[in-house]
Order: sequence, then structure tokens, then C-alpha cells
Amino acid sequence: DAGITQSPRHKVTETGTPVTLRCHQTENHRYMYWYRQDPGHGLRLIHYSYGVKDTDKGEVSDGYSVSRSKTEDFLLTLESATSSQTSVYFCAISEGQPSNYGYTFGSGTRLTVV
Amino acid sequence: DAKTTQPNSMESNEEEPVHLPCNHSTISGTDYIHWYRQLPSQGPEYVIHGLTSNVNNRMASLAIAEDRKSSTLILHRATLRDAAVYYCILPLAGGGADGLTFGKGTHLIIQP
Repeated sequence: DAGITQSPRHKVTETGTPVTLRCHQTENHRYMYWYRQDPGHGLRLIHYSYGVKDTDKGEVSDGYSVSRSKTEDFLLTLESATSSQTSVYFCAISEGQPSNYGYTFGSGTRLTVV
Repeated sequence: DAKTTQPNSMESNEEEPVHLPCNHSTISGTDYIHWYRQLPSQGPEYVIHGLTSNVNNRMASLAIAEDRKSSTLILHRATLRDAAVYYCILPLAGGGADGLTFGKGTHLIIQP
């Protein structure tokens, strides 16, 4: 998607290892989000950021941490990966509060924890 | 939080109009109604959003009921590439930075 890239696109990791997913944007948008998508659950918010060094928890934040040291990058870390964290992870950005501006989503990262 | 109700799935024929309904009876006066779609193996994609009056863009039209308790996404001439899951979304209570909540959406099937 234009202006937002996620890396890696696919990753397989072992249980207990730390994993970091990266979301990079070139739109200079203030708001950034991490979602996970699982069959039967739809999209669920993990963490979000409303500015550099300003982050907050979403609905399913346990086992995840985030960091945003500059506007363009929002990192999601699985501190000790578990099989329940096997999922597709989507990053989203918003120019303003999403209730008014909406989102642009990245293409996703498919993570498998074995 | 304001919730939406959508049919689990709908089927339509190629080159015909598609009307995707959404009920949101607990909507507040300042909530925008958002629609996104998700094609297979892709991230969700913005379609359209509106507050009160009907809205049009190159992808679709959004018809909002006068009492705002329901809305309809209209695809004027469906193509096979419109086969996707369509999400009707309202913001979390009070709006704010924590964004939009996605339900399960409507799986739209387009028959050739």
C-alpha cells in the first residue's frame, strides 16, 4: 500500500523467542496502530500510538510491547512468542483521529510460532 | 460502544448493483459511519465514510437513513474484483485515538 510498509511479510519463529515487526510510513501521519486478525475474531487492536513516544494499549495487548521513537516507525515486539500469537498482523495509519479520518492499512505480516 | 449488525454473507451477479445493509441503532449524533473492505490475503481498504447525508466516491455510494440507525453501501456495478469482506464500522465510544472496532463483516460473493 502506498505510504505504509510492513516488514517482514512472513516469519516463522520458535516458541519463546522474541520477535519484532516493523511498520514504516512515509505519510507523516500522527496515529499508528497494530491489529491482529484471526479466523472467527476479525481484527483486534493490540496497541496504538498517537505521537512519538506516546503509545497506549488496545484490546489484546498482553504479551506485546510497542515503541515509536520517530514518526515514521512503529515497532511491535512479541517478548516471548507463543503459539497463540500465530496470526496475521496489520499496521494502520491515520492522519487524525480515525473516527473522522479513517485508516490506511499495510499489507500485513503473517507470523507463525512453532 | 456503538455496534453494527451486518448479514454474514451476500451473493450478487457481476455487472449488477449491490446493496450492503448495516444496522447501527445505538449510533450517537457525532459518529461517522465507516465502510472498509478486505480482499483475500490483503489488508483492509477504506471504501467510504459519512455522517448524515449520502456520500459518493469513485468506489461506492453510502446511503444513510434519515434517523441514522441504518446505512447501505451501494456498489453500482459489481465486478469479480469486488468479492471481499465488507465491514461497516462505528468509532469506539467517545471517539478518540483508539480507533475503530472491526466486527466480522459481510462476505460478498460475486457470481460471473
